Amino acid sequence: EAQVTQNPRYLITVTGKKLTVTCSQNMNHEYMSWYRQDPGLGLRQIYYSMNVEVTDKGDVPEGYKVSRKEKRNFPLILESPSPNQTSLYFCASSLTENSYEQYFGPGTRLTVT
Amino acid sequence: AQSVTQLDSHVSVSEGTPVLLRCNYSSSYSPSLFWYVQHPNKGLQLLLKYTSAATLVKGINGFEAEFKKSETSFHLTKPSAHMSDAAEYFCVVRENTGTASKLTFGTGTRLQVTL
Repeated sequence: EAQVTQNPRYLITVTGKKLTVTCSQNMNHEYMSWYRQDPGLGLRQIYYSMNVEVTDKGDVPEGYKVSRKEKRNFPLILESPSPNQTSLYFCASSLTENSYEQYFGPGTRLTVT
Repeated sequence: AQSVTQLDSHVSVSEGTPVLLRCNYSSSYSPSLFWYVQHPNKGLQLLLKYTSAATLVKGINGFEAEFKKSETSFHLTKPSAHMSDAAEYFCVVRENTGTASKLTFGTGTRLQVTL
């Protein structure tokens, strides 16, 4: 089944404790991106990647890192999480950056205390 | 620069009555427009898309949207609501500049369907 998977689905952590949210797609897509969703703000892009080893900042990259060493994986790294990073995170992929449809993962709900 | 405004944060309809979710956009270039749906605890799913072909676009589950350039609108409609339509809906715009494209999401409209 074609899908985007994210792990973990739920995470509660404390300020400053490094964490990684994994994202994997099995559709051989070139383009992958991370969004955060906050009430009343819709989805905002954090980082995106147009292909292996090619990543760039989105609208809200501060406090996040990403890497793209393999085509299928695009982990999101929070080196020192803070409470304002409490949010719902979505990973998405598409065949190319100009593809009309993005496929979204199920989301990761992160709480930083 | 592009932007998208969803005019209602919350819409409530009775089952069997029409649905109208409103979306206005602004774009410096000819845009592509999308509606995505998000059911509780799920990711986003593409409902329909406008990509400069027919201005009336039909999507899944009986939804459709009409691109009106003169009004810069892309409202989502459905003739008869079903309980399973209860979800959050996002209008999304993408500028087609020929270089790197970017999606801009609206803030979402929560659709409630009552018996």
